[in-house]
Amino acid sequence: DGGITQSPKYLFRKEGQNVTLSCEQNLNHDAMYWYRQDPGQGLRLIYYSQIVNDFQKGDIAEGYSVSREKKESFPLTVTSAQKNPTAFYLCASSGRQEQFFGPGTRLTVL
Amino acid sequence: AQSVTQLDSQVPVFEEAPVELRCNYSSSVSVYLFWYVQYPNQGLQLLLKYLSGSTLVKGINGFEAEFNKSQTSFHLRKPSVHISDTAEYFCAVSHDRGSTLGRLYFGRGTQLTVWP
Repeated sequence: DGGITQSPKYLFRKEGQNVTLSCEQNLNHDAMYWYRQDPGQGLRLIYYSQIVNDFQKGDIAEGYSVSREKKESFPLTVTSAQKNPTAFYLCASSGRQEQFFGPGTRLTVL
Repeated sequence: AQSVTQLDSQVPVFEEAPVELRCNYSSSVSVYLFWYVQYPNQGLQLLLKYLSGSTLVKGINGFEAEFNKSQTSFHLRKPSVHISDTAEYFCAVSHDRGSTLGRLYFGRGTQLTVWP
């Protein structure tokens, strides 16, 4: 089955630690995205990549970093500089007519 | 900048009643419009999309939406809702569609709660 996988589903970290969220797709899409979701805020774009080895900041990139070394993979690192990292994180990829979403990772920073 | 406004943050409705979830967007260029549904602790699933052609778009689970360019709206409707329709609904817009659909701009979401 084609789709997007995110792991883990739930993640707990101590304040001050960096953490990396995984996103893999087998849809052969060039474009991939990371969104952050908070209650009542909708989805806000963190970073996106339209092609391997290239990525752009979205609307709330501060405190986050990404890499795009392979077409199928777009990991997101939440650094200790992110002031309020507890949230639900969604990865997506785009074909020509639709954006597909992964199941999400819920990050809780204690 | 693009923006999407979902006019109602919460919509309560009784089972088998009709429902309309409202969405307005701001854009001076061609737009491509989407409605997604999200169940608790899950990703987003596409309900329907408008890319071109007929302004009345039919989607999954009996939902439909109408693109109104003059009013810059894309309201979602269902004539008779079920308990299982309880979820959060997001309206989104993109204005870039070359070989790949461009970034989406999302509204803040509407929580639809269906009561028995």
